[in-house]
Amino acid sequence: QVQLVQSGAEVRKPGASVKVSCQASGYTFSDHYIYWVRQAPGQGLEWMGWYNPNTDGANYAQNFQGRVTMTRDTSVSTAYMELNKLTSDDTAVYYCAKVRRPIREPGSNAFDIWGQGTMVTVSS
Amino acid sequence: QSALTQPPSASGSPGQSVTISCTGTSSDVGGHDFVSWYQQHPGKAPKLLIYEVTKRPPGVPDRFSGSKSGNTASLTVSGLQAEDEAHYYCSSYADINREVFGGGTKVAVL
Repeated sequence: QVQLVQSGAEVRKPGASVKVSCQASGYTFSDHYIYWVRQAPGQGLEWMGWYNPNTDGANYAQNFQGRVTMTRDTSVSTAYMELNKLTSDDTAVYYCAKVRRPIREPGSNAFDIWGQGTMVTVSS
Repeated sequence: QSALTQPPSASGSPGQSVTISCTGTSSDVGGHDFVSWYQQHPGKAPKLLIYEVTKRPPGVPDRFSGSKSGNTASLTVSGLQAEDEAHYYCSSYADINREVFGGGTKVAVL
């Protein structure tokens, strides 16, 4: 079945970096955008950016520009999100999500498959 | 502060209907028919309920329906069931090449 499996929970100190992985299976990895979304404890969803696994292109939300990098390894159908200069405000669950429509087709960027989430805790 | 505005809570008795609003601007909700709705239970990842304002993915009951008027989109849950108690989030494509979320609405089944 189609699924996204994320890496496990991480604990970092302020100022450090974290890299979260998202392994896709059950579909052609390069055919669909991957979005990254985070959710702070007790809060709503926040869009971080999108990644095109076909072209290695990305678009980052303004709040994260300069601190986030999205990449992939096509050999293992895995997308990565690295966030630098962490502060306590970055403590959150980080999700990857697959866009429902293929990249080549028009339409909305609705997310039909989500990873299970990766808890990142930033604490001194 | 979220880009799209949702009421923080809504409620209804089993069998009743509840409607959740999602208000944006002409740059997002009003300018595109690219509104989605997600359901999230505690400790779980969000689940897609509605995309492109009115469309349901396979497996989503027809008790869930979406609509839009101007800058406001709405999700209606008809025939409320206990398992519908969850948080609901709207999202929309926004100019240029962004995605924005609402702050979420907690639905209680009384």
